Amino acid sequence: DQQVKQNSPSLSVQEGRISILNCDYTNSMFDYFLWYKKYPAEGPTFLISISSIKDKNEDGRFTVFLNKSAKHLSLHIVPSQPGDSAVYFCAAIDQGGKLIFGQGTELSVKP
Amino acid sequence: ETGVTQSPTHLIKTRGQQVTLRCSSQSGHNTVSWYQQALGQGPQFIFQYYREEENGRGNFPPRFSGLQFPNYSSELNVNALELDDSALYLCASSQRGQGDYGYTFGSGTRLTVV
Repeated sequence: DQQVKQNSPSLSVQEGRISILNCDYTNSMFDYFLWYKKYPAEGPTFLISISSIKDKNEDGRFTVFLNKSAKHLSLHIVPSQPGDSAVYFCAAIDQGGKLIFGQGTELSVKP
Repeated sequence: ETGVTQSPTHLIKTRGQQVTLRCSSQSGHNTVSWYQQALGQGPQFIFQYYREEENGRGNFPPRFSGLQFPNYSSELNVNALELDDSALYLCASSQRGQGDYGYTFGSGTRLTVV
């Protein structure tokens, strides 16, 4: 039972353009969401988060949007840079405080 | 401020053997969580330790067990290894009560079971 889903295994974007990574969830009790970035041979690193009381959170080039009615969130990266190439994981915090991850989307930003 | 350190970085074990993975939590963190990441998948929660006691467990069999020590470091033990246990094992530390869910992950231990 996959409670957090990232349906696009990969995404390729040109440098300077916008990258949009999508995530869907099934549990309406989730009230906090996070995005992590992972390079090979490294652990996931925190990127940005959003509480369910908000619909948008912005941090520099990164913006996360939350649509609670659709149980959908997205991460926008503008402008995309080659150094952004990595695997991005969407995660939700469950009632026990543990992270529930999606399957990940591998982003490739081409120069 | 030191980060999360995991050891070893890689190891190869034979089916049926036992393995112990180690994790040193970030300074100031009192909670440790373990995750299994199979190839092409997201990390799956194994269990969490707080104050040296298991505090939440995912859908993993009892042959997966753990410990947390007074200095907040932790071990993950897996008995009777199976081929499907081959994965990246991630440790994450956090400070309970911290409102921003500040999980810090280690670089992981790559376990291969042959």
